[in-house]
Amino acid sequence: KNEVEQSPQNLTAQEGEFITINCSYSVGISALHWLQQHPGGGIVSLFMLSSGKKKHGRLIATINIQEKHSSLHITASHPRDSAVYICAVRSTGTASKLTFGTGTRLQVTL
Amino acid sequence: DTAVSQTPKYLVTQMGNDKSIKCEQNLGHDTMYWYKQDSKKFLKIMFSYNNKELIINETVPNRFSPKSPDKAHLNLHINSLELGDSAVYFCASSPRLSGGPREETQYFGPGTRLLVL
Repeated sequence: KNEVEQSPQNLTAQEGEFITINCSYSVGISALHWLQQHPGGGIVSLFMLSSGKKKHGRLIATINIQEKHSSLHITASHPRDSAVYICAVRSTGTASKLTFGTGTRLQVTL
Repeated sequence: DTAVSQTPKYLVTQMGNDKSIKCEQNLGHDTMYWYKQDSKKFLKIMFSYNNKELIINETVPNRFSPKSPDKAHLNLHINSLELGDSAVYFCASSPRLSGGPREETQYFGPGTRLLVL
């Protein structure tokens, strides 16, 4: 079992829908990252959080440290949001090592 | 201007060969990383360097040897390539080494797709 699990693995939505991607982890962490991998392969960091909630445009990331769970929400989804979304955690006591989830492939259609 | 660049973008080679992938960042960052993404798109850390010093070597075969001539460059040399080395290799950098309460955003290169035949 991976230390970081994401659900769903694949997600298809229609343009405009509200989307939620979940990440659960089994270890104590100091921080959690959400990354976006474009269809062309490039990886971009979306959020880095250790508590609470962060918002950037139509993207919202939340984390519940007690429940070891984070969610990434996309409001008013658009086809350009189609990508693989990857959750990664930094375990406490481990310097400079991120452990990645297997990713959620999102396809937003017109 | 490219922040983290990798060369080559694609690399096709035969088993047993030795090859290198280069990475350069122009962000002035202290810390650089190599990640491997397998065919199932699973990312895994291979190495991290901080100011040219090896910090993490994550159970990678010793056929893989990173070299950091200066803190803007982290190259990956692979000896005796095997079929299982086929993957996409991503370089990344962050301003400083993450640790304790300090977490750093990572900036990824475009990836190098390696195919070993």
